[in-house]
Amino acid sequence: AQSVTQPDARVTVSEGASLQLRCKYSYSGTPYLFWYVQYPRQGLQLLLKYYSGDPVVQGVNGFEAEFSKSNSSFHLRKASVHWSDSAVYFCVSNSGTYQRFGTGTKLQVVP
Amino acid sequence: GGIITQTPKFLIGQEGQKLTLKCQQNFNHDTMYWYRQDSGKGLRLIYYSITENDLQKGDLSEGYDASREKKSSFSLTVTSAQKNEMAVFLCASTTGIYAEQFFGPGTRLTVL
Repeated sequence: AQSVTQPDARVTVSEGASLQLRCKYSYSGTPYLFWYVQYPRQGLQLLLKYYSGDPVVQGVNGFEAEFSKSNSSFHLRKASVHWSDSAVYFCVSNSGTYQRFGTGTKLQVVP
Repeated sequence: GGIITQTPKFLIGQEGQKLTLKCQQNFNHDTMYWYRQDSGKGLRLIYYSITENDLQKGDLSEGYDASREKKSSFSLTVTSAQKNEMAVFLCASTTGIYAEQFFGPGTRLTVL
């Protein structure tokens, strides 16, 4: 069965620093992959999604993610984080049945 | 644009009680979902529905029933509330299983 692993429950970075949030999926083919963000006291919102084509996909607010079939990964990146990026980030995989969510990574951006 | 409304925002019940959560969407989406969000465990799918009157079980369906009598609404019933299922329940809708999901604000369940 497909699954999604986000190995880092919490990540703390300084404002202005670069960011990488890790995501690994388990599926023999290429699933649809998504990153969602949950800001404090707000609903979940889509950041970006990938299925095929260029392995680097751009999202909102300067986020991008890179798909790697050889590593079964879909890591999220941002060149320079802002305090407003503090939130919980979920990696999501869909291999044809329904979407499965990772456990989430809570990002804290400190001054 | 559209919106997903979940009622109630807070639901308090007694152990063993039957409780119903409601979700309405005005996106005119075909597919709707119910998730349970426990702290540190991400979102787990309880039920989903790909069209009116369709119901499909997710990974966490035991102890829950669902109902999709209209395209715009999707209800979830906790058949016998237990203390270990205190969580936030999220409703979502989408045009299809590979498309972006739009989420409601959630219902927080407390079991006394």
